[in-house]
Amino acid sequence: EVRLVESGGGLVQPGGSLRLSCVASGFNVNTNYMTWVRQAPGKGLEWVSVISSGGTTHYADSVKGRFIISKDNSKNTVYLQMNTLKAEDTAFYFCARVAPAYDAHYFDYWGPGTLVTVSS
Amino acid sequence: SYDLTQPPAVSVSPGQTATITCSGDVLAKHYVYWYQQKPGQAPVLMMYKDTVRPSGIPERFSGSSSGTTVTLTISGVQAEDEADYYCQSADNSGTYVFGTGTTVTVL
Repeated sequence: EVRLVESGGGLVQPGGSLRLSCVASGFNVNTNYMTWVRQAPGKGLEWVSVISSGGTTHYADSVKGRFIISKDNSKNTVYLQMNTLKAEDTAFYFCARVAPAYDAHYFDYWGPGTLVTVSS
Repeated sequence: SYDLTQPPAVSVSPGQTATITCSGDVLAKHYVYWYQQKPGQAPVLMMYKDTVRPSGIPERFSGSSSGTTVTLTISGVQAEDEADYYCQSADNSGTYVFGTGTTVTVL
């Protein structure tokens, strides 16, 4: 059974840093693309970042230069290092798998999310 | 970056048909994927590649595409279909985008 579980959320001051983790089970992150999506309370979904099976990364303009996505294949875990956090980064952060199919650009499994609150 | 536009809200009576549109120039060349999200839950994939329904998704959900607009149709709406719906696409640069979201209310 495919399962994703995020952790690492919490309260952080503006300008601070936080690292989110996403532990995967039921499949291997080293052969899949993995992504982070966030949702501010009461707002819509916003794509944040993706990491390919080979380690290539892409970011939304809103987080480029501040967030870093990475993975540890031995731990089957994906990370999101968030630096220079702003109030507008406050959101639920979801980890998801990009469907492992040819020309697939959608997210077939999601974790339950972890809440990040940026406030003084 | 690019935008995907959805109507903010759609209201429908039980048993009627709800249509949710997703518009954007990128859709002329790229597929749309649809997600349903209920309060406090993660999104669930409802449709992929414009018109393909994943296994386990009820047949009352269907998709269609015309030019730069893709439509998710819910025929015979049920109370359990009340949720937020988001379209999503991707471009050749490796980035993804979600639509603005539509709240479906079952009257």
